[in-house]
Amino acid sequence: SQTIHQWPATLVQPVGSPLSLECTVEGTSNPNLYWYRQAAGRGLQLLFYSVGIGQISSEVPQNLSASRPQDRQFILSSKKLLLSDSGFYLCAGWSTEAFFGQGTRLTVV
Amino acid sequence: AQSVAQPEDQVNVAEGNPLTVKCTYSVSGNPYLFWYVQYPNRGLQFLLKYITGDNLVKGSYGFEAEFNKSQTSFHLKKPSALVSDSALYFCAVRRFSGGYNKLIFGAGTRLAVHP
Repeated sequence: SQTIHQWPATLVQPVGSPLSLECTVEGTSNPNLYWYRQAAGRGLQLLFYSVGIGQISSEVPQNLSASRPQDRQFILSSKKLLLSDSGFYLCAGWSTEAFFGQGTRLTVV
Repeated sequence: AQSVAQPEDQVNVAEGNPLTVKCTYSVSGNPYLFWYVQYPNRGLQFLLKYITGDNLVKGSYGFEAEFNKSQTSFHLKKPSALVSDSALYFCAVRRFSGGYNKLIFGAGTRLAVHP
């Protein structure tokens, strides 16, 4: 079965510092991959999606970027974090339905 | 554009009673609908989906959902609630565009099951 590994589970970063969140996929090849952000424990906002290596599409303009250096690796980055970047970040893949990692709670202080 | 709405922020139910979490959809064409559950500080877990076929879909942990085309609804149900069912529930619709799938989520409904 497909599995998403996501780390770290929690992260506290100062404003202006860089960010790198990594997600890896097991159990499938050439998956569609997604980064979502969840604010205040409610709705999910799609940030980025990728259909293959080096192919990234952004859903909303923001302070973040994404990269897919390998088929099963998806990275979310920022050069300088803002307070508004705080939230719960979820990586997901797609098979017959979406499957999710366990999330990273990012607090920018 | 495809979208789903969850009209209730929170649903409270007593343990052992039936529960319903509501979802309505707006799509063009045939909808692909999903329910997910999220426990605190965890990722989303897939419960069930409707693609085609029987309007009553059975899923994980005793949950089921009824697809109603005339009412454009896809309500999540369970005959007898457990305290451990307390969680955040999301309805979602698939949007297929540009060769890839994308899930559009509702705002979520918090289910609280009281002993």
